Amino acid sequence: DAKTTQPNSMESNEEEPVHLPCNHSTISGTDYIHWYRQLPSQGPEYVIHGLTSNVNNRMASLAIAEDRKSSTLILHRATLRDAAVYYCILRAVPYNQGGKLIFGQGTELSVKP
Amino acid sequence: GAVVSQHPSRVICKSGTSVKIECRSLDFQATTMFWYRQFPKQSLMLMATSNEGSKATYEQGVEKDKFLINHASLTLSTLTVTSAHPEDSSFYICSATPWGRGDEETQYFGPGTRLLVL
Repeated sequence: DAKTTQPNSMESNEEEPVHLPCNHSTISGTDYIHWYRQLPSQGPEYVIHGLTSNVNNRMASLAIAEDRKSSTLILHRATLRDAAVYYCILRAVPYNQGGKLIFGQGTELSVKP
Repeated sequence: GAVVSQHPSRVICKSGTSVKIECRSLDFQATTMFWYRQFPKQSLMLMATSNEGSKATYEQGVEKDKFLINHASLTLSTLTVTSAHPEDSSFYICSATPWGRGDEETQYFGPGTRLLVL
């Protein structure tokens, strides 16, 4: 699976939108883009995933560049509970065929009141 | 829902003893479970992939005789740290992927087990 690059940290103000970038210039056509987040002292939590089209769910939106070499996780209205480390991970192979998640360093998001 | 539990949540043991950590999917069946470890201020490191009814697949550098994994049923995987030493102190996290529900792309993570070896 290809590698991703994320900023080490970002700051946001409460109730403002947050755009978390992820670069994946060596992405292959079968790589899904996954986002997970980890709150302090907890296990990670699934946020969203996509392949080519933008995706929305109740937690966030995922905007994928047309060439798929980058993507952006969008939190529409940050809350203090969104302070976490956000991981952008690529995965091509389904889990039941040996696929796995390899976590990078992620982006530590802090949210100021 | 999709809830994964781990037991115990934290454990303190003496050097040389073995510790078993359980990972259960509470409301779904999981053919595949994963075990990670995480040191302070670091990212998660995948240790092994556990498939129900078969041997676990370990990542490079992970000692399979030290970290015994058993996936006896579709809802339970266990990790046993044998002859634990202080350097094994870490945060151990499991995850599971659902089977037959339509969300097989998602890994659901447990809350983690903090192991301290004295």
